[in-house]
Amino acid sequence: GESVGLHLPTLSVQEGDNSIINCAYSNSASDYFIWYKQESGKGPQFIIDIRSNMDKRQGQRVTVLLNKTVKHLSLQIAATQPGDSAVYFCAENGPNEAAGNKLTFGGGTRVLVKP
Amino acid sequence: NAGVTQTPKFQVLKTGQSMTLQCAQDMNHNSMYWYRQDPGMGLRLIYYSASEGTTDKGEVPNGYNVSRLNKREFSLRLESAAPSQTSVYFCASRAEDRAQETQYFGPGTRLLVL
Repeated sequence: GESVGLHLPTLSVQEGDNSIINCAYSNSASDYFIWYKQESGKGPQFIIDIRSNMDKRQGQRVTVLLNKTVKHLSLQIAATQPGDSAVYFCAENGPNEAAGNKLTFGGGTRVLVKP
Repeated sequence: NAGVTQTPKFQVLKTGQSMTLQCAQDMNHNSMYWYRQDPGMGLRLIYYSASEGTTDKGEVPNGYNVSRLNKREFSLRLESAAPSQTSVYFCASRAEDRAQETQYFGPGTRLLVL
């Protein structure tokens, strides 16, 4: 079935370094992808999204890259800060409007920022 | 603008008890969702509502019922709680605008079933 998964369950990064979080997806028909950040005890928070007609999108300190050829999504965080410590989820949304625009979530990657 | 709100924040139930989790959004979104998140795992969809008056099953609907009371509110009911339903429950809402497809999440309800 369709799935979204992550390569690394935990990522330790030194403060100030760049972080890269990877995600693989299997539904080639998906046309919208989202990265969420979830801090301990809180709900997922939207970070950045990208549509399938793009291969790169930049936000504030974050960049999402989409490689449709290999069905791979990544989130890059520049100059990682202690406040970036959280679990990061990727999610995909298929093009089927009738399906209620349900998101399929990956299992999450925990990012630990070392001082 | 409070976004998505959920009540209660935390609840302890005994096996067999019932309860209703409340969710409300003030963003005028059409679609609303209920997810559960178990430790170390991602979110799994329980039920969703694409518009007022409609509800549909998600990935893990067994043991739950939902009511889309109006456009703002979407409640999740456990008729007879079981320990397997111990989890964190998140409500989310989404606009219909294709330019803004993101789902926005509430803070969660932590449920412990003994």
